[in-house]
Amino acid sequence: GESVGLHLPTLSVQEGDNSIINCAYSNSASDYFIWYKQESGKGPQFIIDIRSNMDKRQGQRVTVLLNKTVKHLSLQIAATQPGDSAVYFCAENIPDNAGNMLTFGGGTRLMVKP
Amino acid sequence: NAGVTQTPKFQVLKTGQSMTLQCAQDMNHEYMSWYRQDPGMGLRLIHYSVGAGITDQGEVPNGYNVSRSTTEDFPLRLLSAAPSQTSVYFCASSYQDRDSPLHFGNGTRLTVT
Repeated sequence: GESVGLHLPTLSVQEGDNSIINCAYSNSASDYFIWYKQESGKGPQFIIDIRSNMDKRQGQRVTVLLNKTVKHLSLQIAATQPGDSAVYFCAENIPDNAGNMLTFGGGTRLMVKP
Repeated sequence: NAGVTQTPKFQVLKTGQSMTLQCAQDMNHEYMSWYRQDPGMGLRLIHYSVGAGITDQGEVPNGYNVSRSTTEDFPLRLLSAAPSQTSVYFCASSYQDRDSPLHFGNGTRLTVT
């Protein structure tokens, strides 16, 4: 089974609203987390990452929150735009993984309504 | 700077045929990997390499071979294609640092009939 999962397979939001995509992970030893965006017909694109010694990290219009107590990760997108419509994946890196092996969640589809 | 380049973009094979999916990166990344993406299954690791001459198996390696003769290239070989290998294949690379994000190619969509 997967050690990284998502609560909502599809999220529909109005353009201009904020979006929150959630991810639960089961391996408490995971120390590095990444969010990827995948548009139709393309490969996953890096959005933002966070290390386990942090609980929040901000980028341009995106914020990742990490709650290690409940093993929960979220991606917040401010002022969601039509171009944000895509599938979003969280991924984790476990310390005993060789190299840079990531474990991915199943993905959440974000649909932005104009 | 092209990043990670995969060829071909689309391929149709008959059961039993063999083929090689190409992957090249120009970022001098030590780590390269192959994932397959199936509906409802997410991305699953097939094989990976931490440097030239070194390869190892991921979660779903059966039916696939890899080699890493150079830092830039990491081809994936299907020796005898099966319908269960119908999928979208992604190559990814990164620096060897554990906190280095993977960079993905745009994928090869493979159909085995």
